[in-house]
Amino acid sequence: AQSVTQLGSHVSVSEGALVLLRCNYSSSVPPYLFWYVQYPNQGLQLLLKYTSAATLVKGINGFEAEFKKSETSFHLTKPSAHMSDAAEYFCAVSDQSGGSNYKLTFGKGTLLTVNP
Amino acid sequence: ETGVTQTPRHLVMGMTNKKSLKCEQHLGHNAMYWYKQSAKKPLELMFVYNFKEQTENNSVPSRFSPECPNSSHLFLHLHTLQPEDSALYLCASSQDGASGYGYTFGSGTRLTVV
Repeated sequence: AQSVTQLGSHVSVSEGALVLLRCNYSSSVPPYLFWYVQYPNQGLQLLLKYTSAATLVKGINGFEAEFKKSETSFHLTKPSAHMSDAAEYFCAVSDQSGGSNYKLTFGKGTLLTVNP
Repeated sequence: ETGVTQTPRHLVMGMTNKKSLKCEQHLGHNAMYWYKQSAKKPLELMFVYNFKEQTENNSVPSRFSPECPNSSHLFLHLHTLQPEDSALYLCASSQDGASGYGYTFGSGTRLTVV
């Protein structure tokens, strides 16, 4: 069984400040890890993913995440927040078995607010 | 364009109405999903279809009736809904056996039950 925990349902930062959104996972097999972003009244859009290549993954809009196996973490960061980054962010995990009916398990989401 | 198209984008319906939500994917995927997203609640997986066969139904009330005529199309038929069914309904698709690619989501249908 796999699970995802996103620490903090709401994170507020000032424009230009560091963004750090936390995600810890639990998986009995090597995981694939994803971050999705959702703008109001939109679907979820893939931000970046870890698929066992480089542990530091760069995504769209200046975001990146680092896979740390020892800490079972996949935290999302951006050096300087922009007003347009205000959205809800979801961390997700799937296993690498590649079998039928693989499941993507989502965290509960973190709402990012950016203050001017 | 995400490759997964949902229609309509917005829907207002009375509790006695019957309506349908449509999802179409142009990605060649063979698995499709319905999610419900209510305010201040986690994403709820409702149904999973794999090669047109329903493989998961997460105790969804019978007033929600899914249909998957082929791997590219997914419908959610709605009847005698309740106000608490008001939510954003998201469709997603994925490629079976390619778990490293994740899901591709549509933009959702905002449903309001009055």
